[in-house]
Amino acid sequence: QMQLVQSGAEVKKPGASVKVSCKASGDTFTIYYIHWVRQAPGQGLEWMGIMNPNGGSTSYAQKFQGRVTMTRDTSTSTVYMELSSLRSEDTAVYYCVRSHIVATTRFDYWGQGTLVTVSS
Amino acid sequence: QSVLTQPPSVSAAPGQKVTISCSGSSSNIGSNFVSWYQQLPGTAPNLLIYENNKRPSGIPDRFSGSKSGTSATLGITGLQTGDEADYYCGAWDSSLSAGVFGGGTKLTVL
Repeated sequence: QMQLVQSGAEVKKPGASVKVSCKASGDTFTIYYIHWVRQAPGQGLEWMGIMNPNGGSTSYAQKFQGRVTMTRDTSTSTVYMELSSLRSEDTAVYYCVRSHIVATTRFDYWGQGTLVTVSS
Repeated sequence: QSVLTQPPSVSAAPGQKVTISCSGSSSNIGSNFVSWYQQLPGTAPNLLIYENNKRPSGIPDRFSGSKSGTSATLGITGLQTGDEADYYCGAWDSSLSAGVFGGGTKLTVL
């Protein structure tokens, strides 16, 4: 069974960047896809983008194009999501999730979530 | 606003049945599989239904999913107080090349 363990909560000022990590264990890292989904307080789920750890290709939601970067370190089975030019509306819990294919919302494993608070 | 449309809330008595609707368009529900998630307070969402009507191992058969055209429905029978949660539908959108979700439905078991 795969486990996705994320980095801890962050507090950032408007305009700063945040980098959240997601370390996979328990299964072969490179045969799945890792997506990032966020949830603002009291709000619904929002898909941000996807990374293929096998090769590093990415695809981002149009809303986040130019502000989000997803990378990976295959030696440590870790995927990173960096969001720049933070604003208060980016305050949310950020989840990394696993899928078997690209074009799906079938996410069978979720990280525990990382709360990012943007406040001056 | 969310691409997929769900009712904000539904309620029913213990032991009863409830359905939650999810409406989309030809580019998402109409041409791709639908997933459903249950989110208990303070926890990450948990996959309930995938590929419209399949249940992951460990999900009881009280939970069911169906799809017709550009709409999908989650059904829960034999309601229990432990079913009180937020429920989300999701699908891939081929026009956006992105995952899309409904705004969520809060289930209250009276």
